[in-house]
Amino acid sequence: SQTIHQWPATLVQPVGSPLSLECTVEGTSNPNLYWYRQAAGRGLQLLFYSVGIGQISSEVPQNLSASRPQDRQFILSSKKLLLSDSGFYLCAGGGGGASYNEQFFGPGTRLTVL
Amino acid sequence: EDKVVQSPLSLVVHEGDTVTLNCSYEVTNFRSLLWYKQEKKAPTFLFMLTSSGIEKKSGRLSSILDKKELFSILNITATQTGDSAVYLCAVSSSNTGKLIFGQGTTLQVKP
Repeated sequence: SQTIHQWPATLVQPVGSPLSLECTVEGTSNPNLYWYRQAAGRGLQLLFYSVGIGQISSEVPQNLSASRPQDRQFILSSKKLLLSDSGFYLCAGGGGGASYNEQFFGPGTRLTVL
Repeated sequence: EDKVVQSPLSLVVHEGDTVTLNCSYEVTNFRSLLWYKQEKKAPTFLFMLTSSGIEKKSGRLSSILDKKELFSILNITATQTGDSAVYLCAVSSSNTGKLIFGQGTTLQVKP
């Protein structure tokens, strides 16, 4: 089965600083990968998804970007953080292609922007 | 616009009670409906439903999907304090597998 790794677990950053969150996947090849953000007391909002290396789709306009330099690596970045970027960031992986496979989540990164 | 709506948003019960959580959806190109349990960290997978009328069961938890009426329920019998969590419903609606999540139901089970 898939294992999703994320780091760091928690992060406190000042407004205007850059961000890089990394997600790696074990146990599968060519997965679909996803970045979600969860604000306090809210559901999960899909930010980006990727169906392959170099292929990124953005779901909502925002201050963040994503990249997939390798098959099992997915990176979430920002050049300048905003206060509104605070939240719980989750990386998820699912079956590649037209698949019914469930998504598995990483442990998440709790980001606080001060 | 695709959407997933869960109800109730929060629920407080006592140990031993049975609870039913609801999830309704409006999505194009429905593929599957998933239930997750979230306890302060990442969601953990509970069930994936793709066919109407077939109950999925795991211990005291069970779930069923009605694709005609566009909803699913998650039942928890003989609740325990360890069942306290946020329960998330999500629907997969395209070939990319991306999920649309509901707001979640916060369940608190009191001793």
